[in-house]
Amino acid sequence: DADVTQTPRNRITKTGKRIMLECSQTKGHDRMYWYRQDPGLGLRLIYYSFDVKDINKGEISDGYSVSRQAQAKFSLSLESAIPNQTALYFCATSDPGRGQGYTFGSGTRLTVV
Amino acid sequence: GENVEQHPSTLSVQEGDSAVIKCTYSDSASNYFPWYKQELGKRPQLIIDIRSNVGEKKDQRIAVTLNKTAKHFSLHITETQPEDSAVYFCAASLGSARQLTFGSGTQLTVLP
Repeated sequence: DADVTQTPRNRITKTGKRIMLECSQTKGHDRMYWYRQDPGLGLRLIYYSFDVKDINKGEISDGYSVSRQAQAKFSLSLESAIPNQTALYFCATSDPGRGQGYTFGSGTRLTVV
Repeated sequence: GENVEQHPSTLSVQEGDSAVIKCTYSDSASNYFPWYKQELGKRPQLIIDIRSNVGEKKDQRIAVTLNKTAKHFSLHITETQPEDSAVYFCAASLGSARQLTFGSGTQLTVLP
């Protein structure tokens, strides 16, 4: 589903480096989310945004920051990457007016060495 | 906050048999319960959902049941096929906030 696009798809970075993961959507949804997926832990919420001026911390926001540049764009930054941030990261969007289900992006596999 | 527990973590069934995955949630204010299927290397995709004013919902071979009193909901897949093999996630949405809290996932394997 090309409606929610994440870049890059894969990234290897070194400990201490700053890295940005980008998400853009063409669905016209106001709500956007960043989750990380780790084996056996499911999907855990990092940050979410209900509109351009609304940013909220999720369950595991420490070590991350976000920017909602426009309705269609929501970026996740790791200010100083550490190895335990190695994970699969998903962006998602939703529109409660059209149902509460999420549309996920394809994911970014991040490895911190 | 909301907590969602999912069991089992792995499940193997013979093709044609049924599979059941169960989830419990902690916050009685939760009102929306979707299920997602994630095939290997792909993104999670919504397969079925249920709202708190409904006890059961079916869509062909899959069904979801909700017991609000006990705060648990289940996914039922009948006549399983090899293409049903995937990781399944349950989730719950807390009231007006509406962000989803996910369970830890169930790896379903359908053996031919």
